[in-house]
Parts: sequence; structure tokens; C-alpha cells
Amino acid sequence: EDKVVQSPLSLVVHEGDTVTLNCSYEVTNFRSLLWYKQEKKAPTFLFMLTSSGIEKKSGRLSSILDKKELFSILNITATQTGDSAVYLCAVDRDNDMRFGAGTRLTVKP
Amino acid sequence: DGGITQSPKYLFRKEGQNVTLSCEQNLNHDAMYWYRQDPGQGLRLIYYSQIVNDFQKGDIAEGYSVSREKKESFPLTVTSAQKNPTAFYLCASSTRRSGANVLTFGAGSRLTVL
Repeated sequence: EDKVVQSPLSLVVHEGDTVTLNCSYEVTNFRSLLWYKQEKKAPTFLFMLTSSGIEKKSGRLSSILDKKELFSILNITATQTGDSAVYLCAVDRDNDMRFGAGTRLTVKP
Repeated sequence: DGGITQSPKYLFRKEGQNVTLSCEQNLNHDAMYWYRQDPGQGLRLIYYSQIVNDFQKGDIAEGYSVSREKKESFPLTVTSAQKNPTAFYLCASSTRRSGANVLTFGAGSRLTVL
């Protein structure tokens, strides 16, 4: 059965810390892996990764995919309180998208 | 502005009643999806539709029904057969270009069964 597993499920850090969020997957018909940020309601798109070893960066956020070991990480450096959210990992299969349970990140001042 | 509109944002239902959640998009996207979100369980796929007049069951379709009569609209009916309907429901749409399939989400509908 296809599955996407995120860890940790929750994380509490202080401003300025660096965090690493993990996503492992076992999915048939893999096409790409995506990261979303959900602050209150609608998840918003962060990154899409299709090839191994190519790091995607956007400001303090970066992500990389390892298709051999079937995992991805999302790094956030110099965290800010505005980074507090649930971070969702999703794998695009042929016809739909399978999501992990999410990591709830809380950044304290 | 292009986007996805879900309504209502909040809905209360008595046990035994059917309710319909609306989802409308003006992004000209081909595919639409319904997800359910419960605390600690991420997003679980209820139904999806790749084209008009066609839809497929997701992982937790029991107790739900959908229709896709127009490209822009993908309403979800939560029937009385759904045993635990209290949840946050998210609608999304996407179009696949150059192999990329990025979902755009609506703001969600929170259903509470009294």
C-alpha cells in the first residue's frame, strides 16, 4: 500500500534555530514530491522535486529529494515566528496526490 | 483573481442529514479533488475527477458522493452513511503541464455534526 510518512509529527523551536523536516515515501508511479505550508486553512505550495540531488531553495527554505532512498527533507534556517505552520509532504502519483500526516512546527520568540 | 471558492466555510448538521459542500474554480484546471483533514492525519483523498463527467473514488469515499457536470464545479455531498463526518474538508484543483501537477487549494469547509 502506498504511504507517505513525515517526521517528526510536531516540533517546537526558538527563533533563529534551524530545523529539518523529513518525508519518506513508498509510492507506485512516482512522478514528483511536493511540499506545502498550511498556516490556518488552505495549504500553499512551497516546492516541487522531481530529480534526485537537486536542491530547491527559496530564501531560508530549501529542500532536496533522494529517489534512491525514497525520502526528502525540508530545511528552514534562521526560523521566525511566521514559519509556525503545518508542513505537508505530498507525492504525485499518476492520477492523484498522496499526503503525509504533516509536521506541526511551532517557533517561539 | 483566479482561485478556488469553497462554501460554506462553516456548517453544522444534525445526524441523519445529507449536506453538500460547494467547490468552484476559475483557473481552467482539468482536475479537481476533495480531501478530508482530521487532526494528526494529514489530508486523505475522498474523490477526484480528471475530466468533466468522470470521477474516481479515493481512499475514503464511503459515505460521500460527488458530481462533475461542469469543469468549474465539483460539489461534495456528505451523506448520512458517513459515520464520522465532523472534519475539515479541502477542495483542490490542478492541471498537468510538462509533467508537473501542483494543487491549488480552496480555503476549506469545516463541518460539525451535532
